[in-house]
Amino acid sequence: KNEVEQSPQNLTAQEGEFITINCSYSVGISALHWLQQHPGGGIVSLFMLSSGKKKHGRLIATINIQEKHSSLHITASHPRDSAVYICAAYTGNQFYFGTGTSLTVIP
Amino acid sequence: EAGVAQSPRYKIIEKRQSVAFWCNPISGHATLYWYQQILGQGPKLLIQFQNNGVVDDSQLPKDRFSAERLKGVDSTLKIQPAKLEDSAVYLCASSLESSGELFFGEGSRLTVL
Repeated sequence: KNEVEQSPQNLTAQEGEFITINCSYSVGISALHWLQQHPGGGIVSLFMLSSGKKKHGRLIATINIQEKHSSLHITASHPRDSAVYICAAYTGNQFYFGTGTSLTVIP
Repeated sequence: EAGVAQSPRYKIIEKRQSVAFWCNPISGHATLYWYQQILGQGPKLLIQFQNNGVVDDSQLPKDRFSAERLKGVDSTLKIQPAKLEDSAVYLCASSLESSGELFFGEGSRLTVL
């Protein structure tokens, strides 16, 4: 069993839809990271959070430490949001990565 | 601020050949990571440096992979000899401190034929 599980693995949405990607982890963490990877491109860090909620533009990340669960929400989705979104749990010693959620937003 | 630089972006070699990847992290970032990402999977840590010292290389296949960060700045990752299963994207990342935000390079895509 992976230390970090993401769902769904693949997601297709119509432009404008509200999107939620979930991440559950089994390790104790000091921080939870959400990353974005475009096809053929590098990885960009979206959020690093250890409690509560963070917002950046149309992206919102939340975390529930007690339930060991985090969500990434995208409001008013756009085709340029199409990418792989990766959840990474940092224990204080190392990162554990999820396998990613591949999002496709159709115009 | 300049990002994490990696080269080459793409490399195609035959099995049993050798290859080297280079990474220059963001200036001042003490922590440097090399990750291997196989298609459809999340990144897998190969080695973590703190300045020029190795923090974690437990998942580095030391019979064929080596990495160094001699002056605590840029780093090289070498594979010798390469196997078919080494085909992957090799990602370099750096952070200001070990728990800080990760900055990734564009990656080096290796194809072993």
